[in-house]
Amino acid sequence: DAGVIQSPRHEVTEMGQEVTLRCKPISGHDYLFWYRQTMMRGLELLIYFNNNVPIDDSGMPEDRFSAKMPNASFSTLKIQPSEPRDSAVYFCASSLLASGQSLNEQFFGPGTRLTVL
Amino acid sequence: EDQVTQSPEALRLQEGESSSLNCSYTVSGLRGLFWYRQDPGKGPEFLFTLYSAGEEKEKERLKATLTKKESFLHITAPKPEDSATYLCAVQAVGGKLIFGQGTELSVKP
Repeated sequence: DAGVIQSPRHEVTEMGQEVTLRCKPISGHDYLFWYRQTMMRGLELLIYFNNNVPIDDSGMPEDRFSAKMPNASFSTLKIQPSEPRDSAVYFCASSLLASGQSLNEQFFGPGTRLTVL
Repeated sequence: EDQVTQSPEALRLQEGESSSLNCSYTVSGLRGLFWYRQDPGKGPEFLFTLYSAGEEKEKERLKATLTKKESFLHITAPKPEDSATYLCAVQAVGGKLIFGQGTELSVKP
């Protein structure tokens, strides 16, 4: 398997523009997670899906952020309009549910480095 | 509030100098504690999962242990290639992972 695939790897945009990040999870995994990583705040969970359904979006910072998972093999994270403080590395991860409601390990993609000027 | 605290923030070792990284946590209903390694410019890479106090797991020079309040990642005779940021995360009730800030490990030859 190719692992979790993210695109683009780097994105530079201007404030106010719409940004769309894409993720393809590992085939067969039923959980998908979106994280944001910055030096100041570390790795933060934004939202996660189970079987394509959003379960917890409490980490989504503002209404400017939205995420969708139209099918088991694709998810998007959209920021509209983007702001300089959104600059960060965004990771997608996927996982399988283990037994007793415990998660198996999450497999992370290579990340998208977003710079908003 | 669920919380994960890692210490130290940074650790510099000489090759062969063994040490330990600490992960203290407070969480309601621990479902699992995870250790990840992250190299610069890459996503975190899974190392271990621990589910209950007293559990231990080993992989090469790394050994992870778990108590009811904290976990340790012991590094025995480290090599320069062990240099990375090590992240600890706990799975809380509801399923999501809460990550610590990480320990940046540097091993000099």
